[in-house]
Amino acid sequence: EPEVTQTPSHQVTQMGQEVILRCVPISNHLYFYWYRQILGQKVEFLVSFYNNEISEKSEIFDDQFSVERPDGSNFTLKIRSTKLEDSAMYFCASSAAVGSTGELFFGEGSRLTVL
Amino acid sequence: GENVEQHPSTLSVQEGDSAVIKCTYSDSASNYFPWYKQELGKRPQLIIDIRSNVGEKKDQRIAVTLNKTAKHFSLHITETQPEDSAVYFCAASRRGATNKLIFGTGTLLAVQP
Repeated sequence: EPEVTQTPSHQVTQMGQEVILRCVPISNHLYFYWYRQILGQKVEFLVSFYNNEISEKSEIFDDQFSVERPDGSNFTLKIRSTKLEDSAMYFCASSAAVGSTGELFFGEGSRLTVL
Repeated sequence: GENVEQHPSTLSVQEGDSAVIKCTYSDSASNYFPWYKQELGKRPQLIIDIRSNVGEKKDQRIAVTLNKTAKHFSLHITETQPEDSAVYFCAASRRGATNKLIFGTGTLLAVQP
């Protein structure tokens, strides 16, 4: 069964450093998402991406965050200058479509720890 | 803004009993309501979903009900088993416009053998 894959599984970084989280969505999917989950809290939407541009973003997704699809397979989330409160599990997801067939498939997550 | 409330935050049941988790959503344009199961340290996995044109949906031991008027939806698990123990998240979305999911706060279900 096809899966969304994410790397790294865990990254520890110093406050102020740049971090790039990588995702390989399911190959025939067209819509890509990043969500985050602070430890013990709910999953929160960050951004959705379609046709090489952001289609929607939340208030959390400020100027410190950016997304990119640098090639035909990868989808990345960059945090320019990490803060302590960026520590969370970051989930990538993809879907084939929006609408009735657009089930989201989540990756295993990348745990980011900012010290 | 968009919000999904979920209750209870923790639920402990004996094996074989039923478990019910309830959610309320604020966005009346929401038309898609999935439920995710998340085991410790793992990804959320879709277990069942319901669309706004349906009042109830069942899949073996799991069922979901939707009351659009009250903006409530619920997950029902019957004959619970220890492997049902996990965190369950409800979510709401406006399908057709976006696939953005607004998640509830989660329910930690513990099934005691």
